[in-house]
Amino acid sequence: DAGITQSPRHKVTETGTPVTLRCHQTENHRYMYWYRQDPGHGLRLIHYSYGVKDTDKGEVSDGYSVSRSKTEDFLLTLESATSSQTSVYFCAISRDPNQPQHFGDGTRLSIL
Amino acid sequence: DAKTTQPPSMDCAEGRAANLPCNHSTISGNEYVYWYRQIHSQGPQYIIHGLKNNETNEMASLIITEDRKSSTLILPHATLRDTAVYYCIVRVTGYSTLTFGKGTMLLVSP
Repeated sequence: DAGITQSPRHKVTETGTPVTLRCHQTENHRYMYWYRQDPGHGLRLIHYSYGVKDTDKGEVSDGYSVSRSKTEDFLLTLESATSSQTSVYFCAISRDPNQPQHFGDGTRLSIL
Repeated sequence: DAKTTQPPSMDCAEGRAANLPCNHSTISGNEYVYWYRQIHSQGPQYIIHGLKNNETNEMASLIITEDRKSSTLILPHATLRDTAVYYCIVRVTGYSTLTFGKGTMLLVSP
């Protein structure tokens, strides 16, 4: 299995609070991605990174920001969490955009 | 990306081959066929991908028709641990996102 660790695995928080999810990889892959998975919507790309300090928006980026200061870490931040951001969040990595993406085990986030 | 169509569910007896079909009749020449699966409460797992030739790895075989409008994922000897949702995805290489549809829920029974 690809060396991907997501933390925390579960989090419950209140509306309006900031939340940061972390994705850590040990594969030295250049590309990292954040997806969310919701019933009826499948997985949707939030943001991705193609190198340190290089990021771009995905399909559902509103309300989310990301940062990548090191190759191994990709952070997803909800500046002011809303109930609509309750979801399961998956991180994925790939060596380059032509290679398959490999996923972490996800973070289950509940915003009350 | 081309749209894919998969049956919502399939059953398979343990030890038998599981053949999961996927229709992608609008596929373009530069689009690859990817297969992933997701076991309950886990992240999606990459299985295999191909362009036009049949592919095989330690997990499965991928058979793509000559016109590339459909493909079949074959798990040669299904086990209970293969029970999962299987996703067929068509994707242009170099493109950032994977678009997951509803997939096929494969239930492997003893």
